[in-house]
Amino acid sequence: IAGITQAPTSQILAAGRRMTLRCTQDMRHNAMYWYRQDLGLGLRLIHYSNTAGTTGKGEVPDGYSVSRANTDDFPLTLASAVPSQTSVYFCASSVGHADTQYFGPGTRLTVL
Amino acid sequence: GQNIDQPTEMTATEGAIVQINCTYQTSGFNGLFWYQQHAGEAPTFLSYNVLDGLEEKGRFSSFLSRSKGYSYLLLKELQMKDSASYLCAVRDPFSGNTPLVFGKGTRLSVIA
Repeated sequence: IAGITQAPTSQILAAGRRMTLRCTQDMRHNAMYWYRQDLGLGLRLIHYSNTAGTTGKGEVPDGYSVSRANTDDFPLTLASAVPSQTSVYFCASSVGHADTQYFGPGTRLTVL
Repeated sequence: GQNIDQPTEMTATEGAIVQINCTYQTSGFNGLFWYQQHAGEAPTFLSYNVLDGLEEKGRFSSFLSRSKGYSYLLLKELQMKDSASYLCAVRDPFSGNTPLVFGKGTRLSVIA
């Protein structure tokens, strides 16, 4: 059982490019989340999904979009990347909304 | 508003005991989590408290006082591998779009 996987592990991206970060879980968790983690700012929620077919905005949603077509997958898209989106991105999942969250290994994204 | 405070950094000696404090001010409270995060890795779940008192799990214990808005994580018999960041997170049912509010983390260095 893999738990949660994220791809890519790291990426360097030119500003203005479109990028999709992938997240897949095999635990049949209903809820999934995307966070960014920046030095001195901690983990901040970007978007979340309580169940397949629904999504919601977190604390810092601007510049990001998500979709939840099925239970397992929760991709995060940057439509037009900007340098301030340089960060480490973590995907997480939980059985239900606000239950214990389990994190994927992260994607380190650099936007130049 | 929501505010979670933890010390930024702590240093302790191998074999010793260390206490990492977390104070919180949130609109509501429905549980507190502690996560461990090694450098370059994902946060991993350590403990969960929803009622006042001490929860013990091996070398790690977590304490909660809801009336004081206070928790601590106690690490006994410190090992070098305990060097990591420790994140406190509060489940706030009135937080709207942020089911878990994370503190910025305490970076613990264990020295010989």
